[in-house]
Amino acid sequence: ILNVEQSPQSLHVQEGDSTNFTCSFPSSNFYALHWYRWETAKSPEALFVMTLNGDEKKKGRISATLNTKEGYSYLYIKGSQPEDSATYLCALREGGSEKLVFGKGTKLTVNP
Amino acid sequence: EAGVVQSPRYKIIEKKQPVAFWCNPISGHNTLYWYLQNLGQGPELLIRYENEEAVDDSQLPKDRFSAERLKGVDSTLKIQPAELGDSAVYLCASSLGLAGYNEQFFGPGTRLTVL
Repeated sequence: ILNVEQSPQSLHVQEGDSTNFTCSFPSSNFYALHWYRWETAKSPEALFVMTLNGDEKKKGRISATLNTKEGYSYLYIKGSQPEDSATYLCALREGGSEKLVFGKGTKLTVNP
Repeated sequence: EAGVVQSPRYKIIEKKQPVAFWCNPISGHNTLYWYLQNLGQGPELLIRYENEEAVDDSQLPKDRFSAERLKGVDSTLKIQPAELGDSAVYLCASSLGLAGYNEQFFGPGTRLTVL
């Protein structure tokens, strides 16, 4: 069974804090890693698709890195704002598979 | 561009009743997915369609769940009869296909509560 793990499970930070969380996955047969943000009562929104070892991607105050050799990706949020409060999901696609396997998510709450 | 549309957004039913969820994918997206998201878990794939063909339904509990995508556009997921353990969020997603990195676009989900 393919296991994608996210940590921490939940996180509370103050407005203005920077934060990061982790997605761990089996490093063999890697094809792509997806990050999604899911705000309550809304659709999960695609943030990044990471494909190459050493990839770094940025979207506003959010960035992500990828290490396929050791099997992890970090998501960073700089200067958290209350509107960043959401569940952040990562999903792995292995080579030869069309399937995305999701982690359980990290629930971020940013307090004003 | 309209996103993935799902209805209803919320549904409360009693156990043993049937229920159906509807999804309209993004125009032009050939691939459609139904996911189940239990509380505290990540979404898990139930079924994937390429046009009107179900190409991966290995995770769909076929004794009570069924799905269709007759014209290769919108899709319906049905549960009959519903059980208490079916309470969850049912997400629909679509993508252009398997080329590239398969970016999937999600609808807002249907939150099902079975009493």
